[in-house]
Amino acid sequence: DTAVSQTPKYLVTQMGNDKSIKCEQNLGHDTMYWYKQDSKKFLKIMFSYNNKELIINETVPNRFSPKSPDKAHLNLHINSLELGDSAVYFCASSQGGGKQPQHFGDGTRLSIL
Amino acid sequence: SQQGEEDPQALSIQEGENATMNCSYKTSINNLQWYRQNSGRGLVHLILIRSNEREKHSGRLRVTLDTSKKSSSLLITASRAADTASYFCATDWNFGNEKLTFGTGTRLTIIP
Repeated sequence: DTAVSQTPKYLVTQMGNDKSIKCEQNLGHDTMYWYKQDSKKFLKIMFSYNNKELIINETVPNRFSPKSPDKAHLNLHINSLELGDSAVYFCASSQGGGKQPQHFGDGTRLSIL
Repeated sequence: SQQGEEDPQALSIQEGENATMNCSYKTSINNLQWYRQNSGRGLVHLILIRSNEREKHSGRLRVTLDTSKKSSSLLITASRAADTASYFCATDWNFGNEKLTFGTGTRLTIIP
């Protein structure tokens, strides 16, 4: 039983395209996150949602738009993909806010051609 | 920035030996957490230590925190091949947003 699941695992696409990544957690947590991990393994938070409400929106280009239809799901839509968007994107969840232990999905490796 | 820095960046040891990695950070924190990331997988939470704690144990893991030096260490005793992974510390600011800031990671390789 996967606690935090993301789809797809791999995403290869052309520059300029629009793509979405989906995330679901079955832990009953109230907070979900999107992180970006670059090629040097540096992990940086992009967004967090608490009970479907946007809590954190780091300095992310507005081409990235998160959407949380309910507290178990957090999706990420990316418009007009650029070469610099190539990275691994992780979804995570926690109970009780962003200072609590977080559970991560296995990531979506996005490659822009 | 608050980003923590792990030291060393990479560490290779023989199976059975102990592994120690360090994390330094810049501002006051509430908690410090350690995570493990196996190749191609997501991060897994290992241990959380609060700012008023100095040491914490979990199985073969021992974490220390020195808030005066703004540093923490993770000790893995009697290492196993399965401990091969990257290890990250993560901090939350005392007066900051509800978020974690991750360090740069230590790549640990256990040689069988």
